This record gives sequence, structure tokens and C-alpha cells, in this order.
Amino acid sequence: EAGVTQFPSHSVIEKGQTVTLRCDPISGHDNLYWYRRVMGKEIKFLLHFVKESKQDESGMPNNRFLAERTGGTYSTLKVQPAELEDSGVYFCASSLLSAGNYGYTFGSGTRLTVV
Amino acid sequence: SQQGEEDPQALSIQEGENATMNCSYKTSINNLQWYRQNSGRGLVHLILIRSNEREKHSGRLRVTLDTSKKSSSLLITASRAADTASYFCATVYAGGTSYGKLTFGQGTILTVHP
Repeated sequence: EAGVTQFPSHSVIEKGQTVTLRCDPISGHDNLYWYRRVMGKEIKFLLHFVKESKQDESGMPNNRFLAERTGGTYSTLKVQPAELEDSGVYFCASSLLSAGNYGYTFGSGTRLTVV
Repeated sequence: SQQGEEDPQALSIQEGENATMNCSYKTSINNLQWYRQNSGRGLVHLILIRSNEREKHSGRLRVTLDTSKKSSSLLITASRAADTASYFCATVYAGGTSYGKLTFGQGTILTVHP
């Protein structure tokens, strides 16, 4: 079974530019989560999709972040325009069930550096 | 302080020794999970303990949960150099509409010297 795939693995962009991160969950996993770890801070929840619907986007920092999951398969997270404080590692996770009773499978993350 | 605080922040031991990491949290939980992150890699799920469980084992891992103290510990026995990684606890909130989202601690960096 293929795991959760994220790309790019690294991205370096200039402040003000746009970046799009992609996550391919495990096939059949309806639940897809985005998390972020900013340097020196804890890993924080961004949002949760169930199929193509946003179940919870309470962790999205501001309207410069836009997440989509068209067709309920892969998801994209766009940052536009990027700011320095957006630098960090963005993780995606997927699961069959949303209650978190069985643990999650995470991708390797995308390390975003905004300069 | 943050939900899911961990201590120590860093732990350095010799191969063969045991490593113990602690985690505290603030709210009522459905379950508590431990994850490992090797440098540059993703988070790997290690073990999950439910709120009605007190202890769980998986190979060289032993997890305890004390809901009265809102704390958990992860013990790795007979550590190996390959156990070198960052370890995170994460809780799933018991109430509201969290839909299973994880709240992470800051993590413990474990270094096992050969």
C-alpha cells in the first residue's frame, strides 16, 4: 500500500510569491488533515477534509492560505502571498476514520522556506 | 503552557539503556498517541492508548496513561542507535467537534549513542 505522498519535499520562495503544496493520501482514506510545524514551535493542526468537504478549518492562520480537495482525492494547500512567518514544515495525514481511534499515517512533509 | 507538553526536551543516552519521555496535557481526551520523527522524514505512528487504558506495550515500547494527572509516559527499553529521533505525544480531544484532530506536544529529541 502506498503511503501518504507530499510534494515538493522542499520549496524555497521569495516573500510575496505563491506556493502550492500537494498531498496524496492513502487510497480510500476519506479523511485528510494538514498540519504545520513552524521552527521551534509545536506541530499545529491546520484543517481537516472529509472527502472533498472541509470539516474543520479552525487552524488555518489567515486568508492567505487556501486548501482544496477537489474530487475527494488529493489535496492542495496554496499560500498566496507567502510571508516569512509561513516558513516551516507542512505535514499531511490521512485516515479511514475521523475519530482518530487508530492513529494516522503522515507524509514526509514539505519544508517551506520563505526568504 | 501548551496542551501536550513533553519533557525532557532532549535526552541523550547510551545504547542498551532505557529512555523515558513524559507528556502532560490539559483537556479530557479520547486517546493519546505517540509518534516518532526521524530527521527529514515524516511522523510515524508508534502506539495509541485510549482514555480507559492505563498501560500498553508494543515491542520495546511501553506507554502509560494517568488520566487523573493528565499525563503519559513512553518508555523505550534496550535502546538502539536507530531509535535516535524526535518523539511527540499527541492527544485527541474527547468532546466538541474536534473530529479526531491531534494536538501535539513540542517533542523530545532522543539521541542514542552507539
